[in-house]
Amino acid sequence: AQRVTQPEKLLSVFKGAPVELKCNYSYSGSPELFWYVQYSRQRLQLLLRHISRESIKGFTADLNKGETSFHLKKPFAQEEDSAMYYCALRGLQGGKLIFGQGTELSVKP
Amino acid sequence: DTGVSQNPRHKITKRGQNVTFRCDPISEHNRLYWYRQTLGQGPEFLTYFQNEAQLEKSRLLSDRFSAERPKGSFSTLEIQRTEQGDSAMYLCASSPGTGREKLFFGSGTQLSVL
Repeated sequence: AQRVTQPEKLLSVFKGAPVELKCNYSYSGSPELFWYVQYSRQRLQLLLRHISRESIKGFTADLNKGETSFHLKKPFAQEEDSAMYYCALRGLQGGKLIFGQGTELSVKP
Repeated sequence: DTGVSQNPRHKITKRGQNVTFRCDPISEHNRLYWYRQTLGQGPEFLTYFQNEAQLEKSRLLSDRFSAERPKGSFSTLEIQRTEQGDSAMYLCASSPGTGREKLFFGSGTQLSVL
C-alpha cells in the first residue's frame, strides 16, 4: 500500500530552536518524495523535493530508504516558518501525489 | 493572476442537491488534478487528467462524483445527491508536461452540505 505518515499533528518550538518534522512512507518501488507547505491564507505550494537535494528557506530533507523516512529539518526556526507542512510521495514515473496528514509548525517568539 | 483558478470559492447546499465546481489550470498545463481535504487531514487524491483523458480515479470515490475536462483546458467536478460527508475543501492542481513536475494548487472550493 502507498502511504505517507506524519506522526505529529502539531509541533511547537521557540524561535531559534532546531526543527524536525517527521515523515515516514510505505511504497512498493522507488518513490519521489516532497514537502509541500501552506502558509496562513495562502495556497499549498512546493517547498522541496528529494531529487533536487537543495535547501529552501533553510530547510533540508534527506531520503532514508532504509528507514523509509524523509524528515524535514531546519537548524534555527523562524517565526515566518509557522505553517502547515505536508509530506507527499509519488512514483518515479509521475502521476498522482499521495499526501500525509500534515504537521502544523508553530514557531513562538 | 495567472495561477490555478477555482470557482466558486464557497458553496453551501442542501443534502441531496447536485453541485458543480470549476477549475481553470495554468495555461498550457497538460495535467490537472482534483483533491479533497477535510479538517485536520492532508489532501486526498480524487482523480487526474492528462489533457482531456482521465487517467486515474480513486477507488474510494463514490460514483456520485464525476469529473470532466472536455477540451483539455478547464475541468469540472460534479457531485450528485450531496451528503453531509461530502463537506470538504475541494482542491485543483495543475502541472506541465508529463506530470513529473511540481503541482501548482488553486485556492480551493469550500463545500458545506447542510
